[in-house]
Amino acid sequence: QKEVEQNSGPLSVPEGAIASLNCTYSDRGSQSFFWYRQYSGKSPELIMFIYSNGDKEDGRFTAQLNKASQYVSLLIRDSQPSDSATYLCAGDSGGYQKVTFGTGTKLQVIP
Amino acid sequence: DAGVTQSPTHLIKTRGQQVTLRCSPKSGHDTVSWYQQALGQGPQFIFQYYEEEERQRGNFPDRFSGHQFPNYSSELNVNALLLGDSALYLCASSLSPPSAPSYEQYFGPGTRLTVT
Repeated sequence: QKEVEQNSGPLSVPEGAIASLNCTYSDRGSQSFFWYRQYSGKSPELIMFIYSNGDKEDGRFTAQLNKASQYVSLLIRDSQPSDSATYLCAGDSGGYQKVTFGTGTKLQVIP
Repeated sequence: DAGVTQSPTHLIKTRGQQVTLRCSPKSGHDTVSWYQQALGQGPQFIFQYYEEEERQRGNFPDRFSGHQFPNYSSELNVNALLLGDSALYLCASSLSPPSAPSYEQYFGPGTRLTVT
């Protein structure tokens, strides 16, 4: 069973702090990884994707990928209460865009 | 630019009935994937349609079937509904073939199915 694993949380951080969300995956054939944000009762919204080892930055968000360790992370700088949501990590399960999601980490940003 | 749309928004069905959910992809996208998301879980891949054919399938029984039309829109059909089929059903669209090896997939608002 090819899996993507996340800590379900909740992860609580104060407003303005850095939130660090982590994810591991078991399928070494996975090439692309995605972070989605999902507000309660809403559908997932793509935040970032990454397919090369290293860091990828977009505004307050930085995704990190380490294929040797099979580890993906998302850093959110200057966390805001509006960032409070569930963050889903996902990886393609090899070819043709079949995506496997983790169960998500709930982030709470405390004002 | 219209995003991914799904209909209906909510649906209540009885065990044993059949249901059809509909999805229109984002403008310019040609691939549609369907996911089931149970409460507190991540989305689970049901199947994907490209060029009107099922290209990938997850671990779902044959009661789950689908179709893609020439205009790229898609339907998800579920037969012989079970209580456990109650979930949020999400449609996602993307462009295929992807700009290898990465691609972007956009979700619709979902259809909340309740089976009683």
